[in-house]
Amino acid sequence: GAVVSQHPSWVICKSGTSVKIECRSLDFQATTMFWYRQFPKQSLMLMATSNEGSKATYEQGVEKDKFLINHASLTLSTLTVTSAHPEDSSFYICSAQGRVDTEAFFGQGTRLTVV
Amino acid sequence: GQNIDQPTEMTATEGAIVQINCTYQTSGFNGLFWYQQHAGEAPTFLSYNVLDGLEEKGRFSSFLSRSKGYSYLLLKELQMKDSASYLCAVRDNTGRRALTFGSGTRLQVQP
Repeated sequence: GAVVSQHPSWVICKSGTSVKIECRSLDFQATTMFWYRQFPKQSLMLMATSNEGSKATYEQGVEKDKFLINHASLTLSTLTVTSAHPEDSSFYICSAQGRVDTEAFFGQGTRLTVV
Repeated sequence: GQNIDQPTEMTATEGAIVQINCTYQTSGFNGLFWYQQHAGEAPTFLSYNVLDGLEEKGRFSSFLSRSKGYSYLLLKELQMKDSASYLCAVRDNTGRRALTFGSGTRLQVQP
């Protein structure tokens, strides 16, 4: 399958600071990227959908000013958690979709801990 | 919207066969996915069904009945490493192509 690289795999930051997470599709062009969040022992919850060159579409209840998403190219999307707080501590996972519908590939995930 | 149900936990014995069921109710349907997720890791793709019937891939098979809103994942010749969460996910047909995940089934394989 295709490779999606997510970086960093884990990060610890102080409350009030911002953290940027990168998601790259290494061997295909990702027309759409999705950002999910997963709390312990819970399933993945979709945060937002981003299409290359356009604004992200956020799910209900997700603050767009807090979770900034940029999808500037067909191989890179970034999620910036601004003014992070301890309740933002979670596992963040990106997924990249190419032009074919048969699969959706996930990055390795980023475990964010806000102290 | 989407509503996806799957059992919370299952236990099975090494070498045996286990079937994990998933039922869904959607306003639109464009494919059903199964993923495996080990603790602390991202999900890995197992199977994709968009038409009714059985898809087989080695020890893993997945079945779909669109009229019943039902799917199952069948794992044969269970190995200890199969202990993981199994996530059922449905893609809607709105064009955004996002997946909605069920809560996941934690499978424990015992010796």
